[in-house]
Amino acid sequence: DAKTTQPTSMDCAEGRAANLPCNHSTISGNEYVYWYRQIHSQGPQYIIHGLKNNETNEMASLIITEDRKSSTLILPHATLRDTAVYYCIVRVAGYNTNAGKSTFGDGTTLTVKP
Amino acid sequence: DGGITQSPKYLFRKEGQNVTLSCEQNLNHDAMYWYRQDPGQGLRLIYYSQIVNDFQKGDIAEGYSVSREKKESFPLTVTSAQKNPTAFYLCASSTSGGRRTDTQYFGPGTRLTVL
Repeated sequence: DAKTTQPTSMDCAEGRAANLPCNHSTISGNEYVYWYRQIHSQGPQYIIHGLKNNETNEMASLIITEDRKSSTLILPHATLRDTAVYYCIVRVAGYNTNAGKSTFGDGTTLTVKP
Repeated sequence: DGGITQSPKYLFRKEGQNVTLSCEQNLNHDAMYWYRQDPGQGLRLIYYSQIVNDFQKGDIAEGYSVSREKKESFPLTVTSAQKNPTAFYLCASSTSGGRRTDTQYFGPGTRLTVL
């Protein structure tokens, strides 16, 4: 699986948009970009994923560059409860010997401030 | 409710003892995973299983063992051979089964402390 690079930490003002970048320059054509977040001492929570098109759901938007080498997770109106560690991973799906493996790096610690 | 359960939430063991962590899911997912997380770090894959009676080593399998006798269950045994077993252990599952995309869903985790 491709590795990802994320900033160690970011701050965001409450009510403003939080834009979290991720580099995945070695991503292959069959790998999806996934975003998760982890609030302290809990299991990671799925946020959103995409292959090459931009995606939006009730939690966030995902912008993937045309060359797929980087992406940005956007939380449109950050709240204090969005303070968490955000993980960007790339992942192959389907049943084969390498499928299912996904590498979680250290993520970005987002702190939303009042 | 559907989901993934891990028990217990906190577990204490003496050094040299084997301990088994439970993970159960009722999501009808084919694939299940075990991760280890140390303080301030990301998740590292220990073992994963894509179908019943089959599993593969992840990046840090030494000192751990698993079984997958039932689709719903994927217990992890931390053996005495694991040099530094104190950590937060997370179980996850996903649909897999040949689909092009499958999202992992995580349990609440078990915090193991070896004294």
